[in-house]
Amino acid sequence: TQLLEQSPQFLSIQEGENLTVYCNSSSVFSSLQWYRQEPGEGPVLLVTVVTGGEVKKLKRLTFQFGDARKDSSLHITAAQPGDTGLYLCAGDTDKLIFGTGTRLQVFP
Amino acid sequence: DADVTQTPRNRITKTGKRIMLECSQTKGHDRMYWYRQDPGLGLRLIYYSFDVKDINKGEISDGYSVSRQAQAKFSLSLESAIPNQTALYFCATSDPIGETQYFGPGTRLLVL
Repeated sequence: TQLLEQSPQFLSIQEGENLTVYCNSSSVFSSLQWYRQEPGEGPVLLVTVVTGGEVKKLKRLTFQFGDARKDSSLHITAAQPGDTGLYLCAGDTDKLIFGTGTRLQVFP
Repeated sequence: DADVTQTPRNRITKTGKRIMLECSQTKGHDRMYWYRQDPGLGLRLIYYSFDVKDINKGEISDGYSVSRQAQAKFSLSLESAIPNQTALYFCATSDPIGETQYFGPGTRLLVL
């Protein structure tokens, strides 16, 4: 079974702080996606990265795909309470394999 | 209106009961999926279907069955529910181009 491990599992920070979430696997993926899930809702796609070494920015969120396409990171600059949620990475082989999730809470 | 809907949103049942979770989508996608979410384990694939005549087992299909009644409808059944099937269940659809998955709001199931 392919595994995508995310770290940290939980993160609780103050508004304005920076943070990085990691997504690691021993498997190579053709692409990697990041989703955010809020309470009572399903996950919503934030970004897809395809090329090894690729960096994508979405406002204060920066996503990077590892050179070997086995890992990825999500960096949030100046976190805000609206960033609170569960962040899931998902690697694409012939199906999506989801990571274990990082639960982020940002306090005002 | 939501593109992917799930019914019921919450369900409490007893061990041994048969239950069905239903999913409908208006996105016109051929591909549909059922996932289960447990704390610390992320989302795990139960079954998936790439068109009406195609049904495939996912990572954790034991104890579950599915029916693809139409392009827009994909239902998940627990033939004889057991307590360790207590979880949050999500239906999703995807378009082959881009592989983005669109999730429903989830069904929270408690098996006593």
